Order: sequence, then C-alpha cells, then structure tokens
Amino acid sequence: QQQVKQSPQSLIVQKGGISIINCAYENTAFDYFPWYQQFPGKGPALLIAIRPDVSEKKEGRFTISFNKSAKQFSLHIMDSQPGDSATYFCAASTAGNTPLVFGKGTRLSVIA
Amino acid sequence: DTAVSQTPKYLVTQMGNDKSIKCEQNLGHDTMYWYKQDSKKFLKIMFSYNNKELIINETVPNRFSPKSPDKAHLNLHINSLELGDSAVYFCASRRGTDTQYFGPGTRLTVL
Repeated sequence: QQQVKQSPQSLIVQKGGISIINCAYENTAFDYFPWYQQFPGKGPALLIAIRPDVSEKKEGRFTISFNKSAKQFSLHIMDSQPGDSATYFCAASTAGNTPLVFGKGTRLSVIA
Repeated sequence: DTAVSQTPKYLVTQMGNDKSIKCEQNLGHDTMYWYKQDSKKFLKIMFSYNNKELIINETVPNRFSPKSPDKAHLNLHINSLELGDSAVYFCASRRGTDTQYFGPGTRLTVL
C-alpha cells in the first residue's frame, strides 16, 4: 500500500518555466513533509520541507504548497533551469523516529 | 566533511555469495536507516535502528540483516545473494524529526 502518491512520473519544462509536482497522502498522522532532490549517481538531498501548521513555505525558487484538508502538497519550481533536471521525491513521516515514506519520484527535465 | 558515508560505492558479485555494506554517520544522530532503490527509482525503507535497537523491520528477506556496532554505524549484511537483490542501497540518518541525511549509495549488481 503506497502511503504517498506522487505525480507526474516525468515532467518536461522549458527553461524559465514553472515546474509543478504533486503529492497526496492518506495518513492524517503525518506531520512532516519534505521534498528531496536526487541527481544521477547521488543520494537524495533535502530540498525543502514543511509542517502542517503552515500552508506555504518558500525558499528561493522553490515553494511548497500544503493543503491539510485535501491531504495534498506540491512543489513549485519557479524559473526552472537546466541544472534543476533531477528526480524529485516527496515524502512524509509521523512524529518520533519513524522513517520517511517516499513517493515514487518525478523525473524532471528542463530543456533550453 | 562527509555526513553519511557508505562503502563500497560499487559492488559486483555472483549469486549465492555473502556481502556487506558499511555505513557511518558523523552527525551524532540517534537513528539510522537502510533504503533500497530499485531500477524504477522507488525508495523503500528496509530497516531502521535507534540507540542500537531495531525498531522497524519491513518485509525484507531474512537474508538481509543490519548490524550496528555503535550509534555511528549501521552495516548491512546480505547472505545468499539473488539476482533480484541488484539495486542501489542507501544508508540514512536522522535525529528525531529533523532532516534525514542520505549517504551516496552503494550500487549492488548480482550476476
């Protein structure tokens, strides 16, 4: 049973455009929602994270939008650049030492 | 400074062999994990260790066994390797609900 559903599976965006990746979850006990970025041959690295007490968090060109009632959250990448081409994973976890549960990933390609 | 390190980076071996992957973190975290990433990039939790105790053991074959000699290390032992074990294995560590850091991964290829 997949606890975090991520879409789309792949995404192609023009340079300068907006990339949007969506995730949905079922477990209402989740209280931490990070996004990870993974380049080929590397481990996933934290990009940005949000907790359910806020509806939006912005760091540079990256924004998380969070809708608690709909149990959805999304990543927006503004002014997408070729260097943003990577696989992006949403994740969620509950309080305590529980491990992150990951979505299946979105392969983003930003073309010039 | 490497926060989470794994060795080896690549591991090629024959079916039926036994192999180990080592993981070390220098972040002072109290929980460490092993994830398996398959060819479709799906990241699946395998094990987690907190204060030297196994707290989660997902439905992985008992050929896989985590060993934690101390809080900074979590090694993964795999017995009787099978073709389906070929994947990239990531170690990760975390303190409470803070950021989870991943190692660079070990690409295991079973021939």
